Amino acid sequence: EPEVTQTPSHQVTQMGQEVILRCVPISNHLYFYWYRQILGQKVEFLVSFYNNEISEKSEIFDDQFSVERPDGSNFTLKIRSTKLEDSAMYFCASRDSGGAEQFFGPGTRLTVL
Amino acid sequence: AQRVTQPEKLLSVFKGAPVELKCNYSYSGSPELFWYVQYSRQRLQLLLRHISRESIKGFTADLNKGETSFHLKKPFAQEEDSAMYYCALSRVSNYQLIWGAGTKLIIKP
Repeated sequence: EPEVTQTPSHQVTQMGQEVILRCVPISNHLYFYWYRQILGQKVEFLVSFYNNEISEKSEIFDDQFSVERPDGSNFTLKIRSTKLEDSAMYFCASRDSGGAEQFFGPGTRLTVL
Repeated sequence: AQRVTQPEKLLSVFKGAPVELKCNYSYSGSPELFWYVQYSRQRLQLLLRHISRESIKGFTADLNKGETSFHLKKPFAQEEDSAMYYCALSRVSNYQLIWGAGTKLIIKP
């Protein structure tokens, strides 16, 4: 059964550094999402992406964040200059055009020191 | 404001006992409600969605628009039900999910 994959599983970085989190959605899916979960807190929506552009973003998704689908399979989340408060679990999800069910990747744990 | 509330952070019941995980929501339109489950060291996965009205792994959930609730129920808990359970609401515009805080369910032998 196809699955969403994410790499790396754990990323440790220094404050101020750029990080790129990678996701490979399910191949025939057209809608992509990033969520994050700070330890002990709710899962929060970051951004949705369709047809090579952002369809919606939350207040969290400021100018430090960007998303890209560089090659038709990968879907990346870039944080330009990481802050301590960016430490969280980042989940990628995808869905097809037929319904609302989103399929999640295993997550990337980002630790900013 | 759109919001999902799961009042219990932790619920612990004995095997064989009934389980009810509470979820209340606030949404101005017609919501689509989901329960997602995350077993230990596994990814988030869909358990139930209200429009399908089916029972998965013995769990059911009924949308009560009057009480704005979508509680998850199972009559006889199994040890393998131990997991984190998240209630989520889907915005119709782009199916962005709005999440509850989650309930950790522990089934004691």
